[in-house]
Amino acid sequence: DQQVKQNSPSLSVQEGRISILNCDYTNSMFDYFLWYKKYPAEGPTFLISISSIKDKNEDGRFTVFLNKSAKHLSLHIVPSQPGDSAVYFCAASAGGYQKVTFGTGTKLQVIP
Amino acid sequence: NAGVTQTPKFQVLKTGQSMTLQCAQDMNHEYMSWYRQDPGMGLRLIHYSVGAGITDQGEVPNGYNVSRSTTEDFPLRLLSAAPSQTSVYFCASSPSDDPYKGGAFFGQGTRLTVV
Repeated sequence: DQQVKQNSPSLSVQEGRISILNCDYTNSMFDYFLWYKKYPAEGPTFLISISSIKDKNEDGRFTVFLNKSAKHLSLHIVPSQPGDSAVYFCAASAGGYQKVTFGTGTKLQVIP
Repeated sequence: NAGVTQTPKFQVLKTGQSMTLQCAQDMNHEYMSWYRQDPGMGLRLIHYSVGAGITDQGEVPNGYNVSRSTTEDFPLRLLSAAPSQTSVYFCASSPSDDPYKGGAFFGQGTRLTVV
């Protein structure tokens, strides 16, 4: 049972436009959400996170939105750059890293 | 800064062989963990440690052993390799068990093939 779902395996966006990556979850006990970015042949890198007590968190070009009632979160990248081309993993925690569940990832391609 | 270092980067094993995947971190992090990543699936937690001498099982621990004799090192042992253990393995560390204090740092991964 996949508790964290990233239903779009891939996404292509033109450079300069907005990239929106989506993530849905089923476990209402999740209280913290993280996004990781992964380049080929490298390990994931922490990107941004959000607590369940907030509905938005921004860090530069990256903004994460959380809709608790819909059990949905999204990552917005504005403007998108070719260097943003990577696989993005959504992850959710129910308390502690041993309770972090990862989604399957979305491969973003930013076209110059 | 080296961060989290995994060795080897690639390995091919025959069914039934044993081996140890090495993981070392130089950030003095208390919390370390091992994940595997398979096609179409997210990263799944194998084992984790909240400090030297303390380890526990994650979501998919069968066929793997770990130990944590020092803060820096967290090796993962495959006892008798099986084709189902073909995967990419990631080691991660963080200063705390609490994700509210930031994300984890991951190594570059070990791609293991069992034939």
